[in-house]
Amino acid sequence: EAAVTQSPRNKVAVTGGKVTLSCNQTNNHNNMYWYRQDTGHGLRLIHYSYGAGSTEKGDIPDGYKASRPSQENFSLILELATPSQTSVYFCASGDDYEQYFGPGTRLTVL
Amino acid sequence: GMPVEQNPPALSLYEGADSGLRCNFSTTMKSVQWFQQNHRGRLITLFYLAQGTKENGRLKSTFNSKERYSTLHIKDAQLEDSGTYFCAAEWRSYQNFYFGKGTSLTVIP
Repeated sequence: EAAVTQSPRNKVAVTGGKVTLSCNQTNNHNNMYWYRQDTGHGLRLIHYSYGAGSTEKGDIPDGYKASRPSQENFSLILELATPSQTSVYFCASGDDYEQYFGPGTRLTVL
Repeated sequence: GMPVEQNPPALSLYEGADSGLRCNFSTTMKSVQWFQQNHRGRLITLFYLAQGTKENGRLKSTFNSKERYSTLHIKDAQLEDSGTYFCAAEWRSYQNFYFGKGTSLTVIP
């Protein structure tokens, strides 16, 4: 069965600090995604990737970078975290037809 | 405006009842997916459609790209169906999905 894991599951960061959220998938999917979920907005796509070495901007990429060093791993990087980036972040992997989501990371920026 | 409008925002059903959720799109979408988010926050894919209708047990989904909508029908609602349902439509770039704001479903015993 598809398996997507995220770490950490919970993170408290300070404003201006650097935060890295990690995602690992064992599905051998080419596509991976980072979303954030906020009340009143549903899920919004931040960055996605078609394969190792590729990153693409989603709907709300500002303030975020992404890195896809391998087929299995996709990281979301907040170089200078701000309180507005407090949210729940979901990673997903997928083929052309379906996405499999990780359990989510709750990030609080103080 | 938002490319995906999802209705209703919230819905309560008695066990055994049938109902439908709908997403309207502001433009032609390539495909649509439906997800359920359970009480633990986990997101589960229910359907992927590029066109037409799919069924899986008590769930049935339709996507009409030309008419710019998709529906999710739940038949014989069960307590475990409670959660938030999202549609997500693929627009413009390949694999760039836009989510609706969700429908919060409560099934009442």
